[in-house]
Amino acid sequence: DTAVSQTPKYLVTQMGNDKSIKCEQNLGHDTMYWYKQDSKKFLKIMFSYNNKELIINETVPNRFSPKSPDKAHLNLHINSLELGDSAVYFCASSHFTGAGANVLTFGAGSRLTVL
Amino acid sequence: AQSVTQLGSHVSVSEGALVLLRCNYSSSVPPYLFWYVQYPNQGLQLLLKYTSAATLVKGINGFEAEFKKSETSFHLTKPSAHMSDAAEYFCAYQGMNRDDKIIFGKGTRLHILP
Repeated sequence: DTAVSQTPKYLVTQMGNDKSIKCEQNLGHDTMYWYKQDSKKFLKIMFSYNNKELIINETVPNRFSPKSPDKAHLNLHINSLELGDSAVYFCASSHFTGAGANVLTFGAGSRLTVL
Repeated sequence: AQSVTQLGSHVSVSEGALVLLRCNYSSSVPPYLFWYVQYPNQGLQLLLKYTSAATLVKGINGFEAEFKKSETSFHLTKPSAHMSDAAEYFCAYQGMNRDDKIIFGKGTRLHILP
């Protein structure tokens, strides 16, 4: 059983298109995240949801819109794709280990290539 | 602002040699600190975490890390490298509050030489 699953794993599309990436976790975690990893492996948080409520929204273009229908799902929709959006997008979830520390469980990533 | 610095984007060690990956953090409050490992074409997975209990933390696959407040460091070590340790390693920082975002270092690629 995959703990955090993302679909699709690979996505190749043209500039200007709109695409979505879906994420589901079966761990019972209450917080979910989207991270972007660029070609240099730099990992940057984009969004975080806790029980369907947005709690972290980094400086991300408003072409990116997350949606959390329930606490087990966090989807990412991207409008008007640009070349610079090419990256690997990771979904993650976390549980509260006590005293504030959040341990992240990552999905396998969705590699987006914009041509 | 809090930050995490990993010294060396690439580190090469011989199989059987000591592994040392360096991480320093910048914060005015006590942090939570983590090391994650990323194997090729996979997501990150937790190696170990520091949450203000013991300063020497043991993780999976024989790795350990020591929190040194005076040096603001959390270096990762393993006594004897194995070929399967070749991967990207990320140090991460989180502030005291549950909703604080988790900040990752830029990663260190560990190469194991036969």
